[in-house]
Amino acid sequence: KAGVTQTPRYLIKTRGQQVTLSCSPISGHRSVSWYQQTPGQGLQFLFEYFSETQRNKGNFPGRFSGRQFSNSRSEMNVSTLELGDSALYLCASSPGYEQFFGPGTRLTVL
Amino acid sequence: GIQVEQSPPDLILQEGANSTLRCNFSDSVNNLQWFHQNPWGQLINLFYIPSGTKQNGRLSATTVATERYSLLYISSSQTTDSGVYFCAVADTGGFKTIFGAGTRLFVKA
Repeated sequence: KAGVTQTPRYLIKTRGQQVTLSCSPISGHRSVSWYQQTPGQGLQFLFEYFSETQRNKGNFPGRFSGRQFSNSRSEMNVSTLELGDSALYLCASSPGYEQFFGPGTRLTVL
Repeated sequence: GIQVEQSPPDLILQEGANSTLRCNFSDSVNNLQWFHQNPWGQLINLFYIPSGTKQNGRLSATTVATERYSLLYISSSQTTDSGVYFCAVADTGGFKTIFGAGTRLFVKA
C-alpha cells in the first residue's frame, strides 16, 4: 500500500505571497492532519479533517487554512506569508487513531 | 490542554548501550504513539501504544495510562538509531495530537 504523499517537497516563497500544499493520504484513510515543525516551536498541530469536515484546529492565525476533498486528499493554504512561516509542514493520515506521516514539505520564506 | 514532557532532552550513547526514554502526559489520553524522526525529517512509526507493553526487535515500549507515562526502551543501540524520538498523544476527543519536544539521541560508533 502506498504511503502518504506530499507535494511539493520543497518550496521557496517571498513574504506576502501565498502557498498551497497538498497531501494524499493512504488509501482508505479518511482522517488527515497537518502539523508545522520549526526548531523553536517543535511539532505543532494545525488542523484535522475527516470526511471533508474540520474536526479540530490548533492555535494558528486565520492565514492558515485547509480543506479536504471527497477522495480524502487535503490541501493547506497559507496566505500573506511571513518569515516565521518557514518550516517543515507534515501531513498525517489515519484510519482511526494511529497516524502515518508523509515526508513533509519544506517551506522557506525569504 | 494536554501537556507532554519528554526526558531526557538529549542523550549520547556508545554503540551497544541500552537506554530508556520517558514521556509524561498531564491528562487522560485516547492514544499514544512513539516516532523516530530521521535526518531527512521523515517521522517513522515505532509504536502505537495507548496502554500495555509492545516489543519490536531491539525496541520496546510500555504505557501506564493510569499513571500518565510511557517509556521507550532501546537495547543494543546502533548508530542508525540516532535521531529525534517523539512521543505524541491525542486528547480524549481524539482529533488533536500533541507532540512532546522530543529526545535527541546520538549513538557513537
